[in-house]
Amino acid sequence: GDSVVQTEGQVLPSEGDSLIVNCSYETTQYPSLFWYVQYPGEGPQLHLKAMKANDKGRNKGFEAMYRKETTSFHLEKDSVQESDSAVYFCALTSSQAGTALIFGKGTTLSVSS
Amino acid sequence: DTAVSQTPKYLVTQMGNDKSIKCEQNLGHDTMYWYKQDSKKFLKIMFSYNNKELIINETVPNRFSPKSPDKAHLNLHINSLELGDSAVYFCASSQRTGESPLHFGNGTRLTVT
Repeated sequence: GDSVVQTEGQVLPSEGDSLIVNCSYETTQYPSLFWYVQYPGEGPQLHLKAMKANDKGRNKGFEAMYRKETTSFHLEKDSVQESDSAVYFCALTSSQAGTALIFGKGTTLSVSS
Repeated sequence: DTAVSQTPKYLVTQMGNDKSIKCEQNLGHDTMYWYKQDSKKFLKIMFSYNNKELIINETVPNRFSPKSPDKAHLNLHINSLELGDSAVYFCASSQRTGESPLHFGNGTRLTVT
């Protein structure tokens, strides 16, 4: 079945550090790829998306490139801020009707000032 | 003007009881979902309805029964609650299945004692 594997556990950069959170996926379909962000006490919310190979999703200084050849969708940012602290989920959904969003296990980003 | 709202926010109950969680969306979406988030933040799809019709039913115990009276509402009833049912349950909606991003509610934290 479809699956997503991402950097697990906590990532602890300082403000101004660069960031890469790895995400790899497996599917037999043609997926759309997403990063969701979850703040304490809230539901996940869409952070950025890429609908097809070589698309780049962008939001608030974060970027992720849909790379079909390496089945990856890594989340990157040049300079993180304390306000970026949250849990980040990589997710995929296939174009097939009747499929749901499949999430990775989440990466907790804690940025220190 | 909340998009996806679920009640209650917190639910504390004893083993063996029956409880319900309600969800409503005012986005005009056709598809609604229930996800379960465990203590390690892992999000797993439970059910999905499209226009009141059940389209996804993952391996969930029969004690869990979703009901969709109309396409704006999706409720979750749980019979004979067990300790392992303790989790945060998220309702979500999307315009359609497949590639559409999900809009999540803020979750219901269920604690079974």
